[in-house]
Amino acid sequence: DQQVKQNSPSLSVQEGRISILNCDYTNSMFDYFLWYKKYPAEGPTFLISISSIKDKNEDGRFTVFLNKSAKHLSLHIVPSQPGDSAVYFCAARSNYGGSQGNLIFGKGTKLSVKP
Amino acid sequence: EAGVTQSPTHLIKTRGQQATLRCSPISGHTSVYWYQQALGLGLQFLLWYDEGEERNRGNFPPRFSGRQFPNYSSELNVNALELEDSALYLCASSLSGHRGEQYFGPGTRLTVT
Repeated sequence: DQQVKQNSPSLSVQEGRISILNCDYTNSMFDYFLWYKKYPAEGPTFLISISSIKDKNEDGRFTVFLNKSAKHLSLHIVPSQPGDSAVYFCAARSNYGGSQGNLIFGKGTKLSVKP
Repeated sequence: EAGVTQSPTHLIKTRGQQATLRCSPISGHTSVYWYQQALGLGLQFLLWYDEGEERNRGNFPPRFSGRQFPNYSSELNVNALELEDSALYLCASSLSGHRGEQYFGPGTRLTVT
């Protein structure tokens, strides 16, 4: 049972345009959401996060939107750059029950930004 | 500021052997997390240590174990290695408990032959 889903395995975008990466979740007890970027042979790099009490968080070119009613979040990258090409993971955290402490990850979306 | 470090980078073992992986957290972080990323799968939570104690573990058999030392570094041990244990093992650290973001190390690639 996948609690965090990234339904698009890949996304290709032209340099300078907007990249939108999507993530759906099923567990209403998640209270914190994060996005990570991962290059091959490296560990994930933290990008941006959002608490469940907010609906938007912005950091430079990266903005995360949270729609709790739809159990959906998205990461917007504007403008996209070739260096953004990587696998992006959505992750969620619950502080209740047996899931305390750990992050639950989606399977990732591979973003390719073409010059 | 130094990030999370892991050693070794690569580890090759044969089936039935034991593997030991090491992790040093970011200075000031007291929580250490271990994740497994097997081929074609997402990151799966293994273990969480905080202040020297195991706080939570994922759905993995008991042959996956570890510990956290007084300096907050951590060790992951995998006993009786099986072929399907071949994966990238990632360590992450955060401020105490479950607050804050988790910052990942580069990982240890374990290959079981």
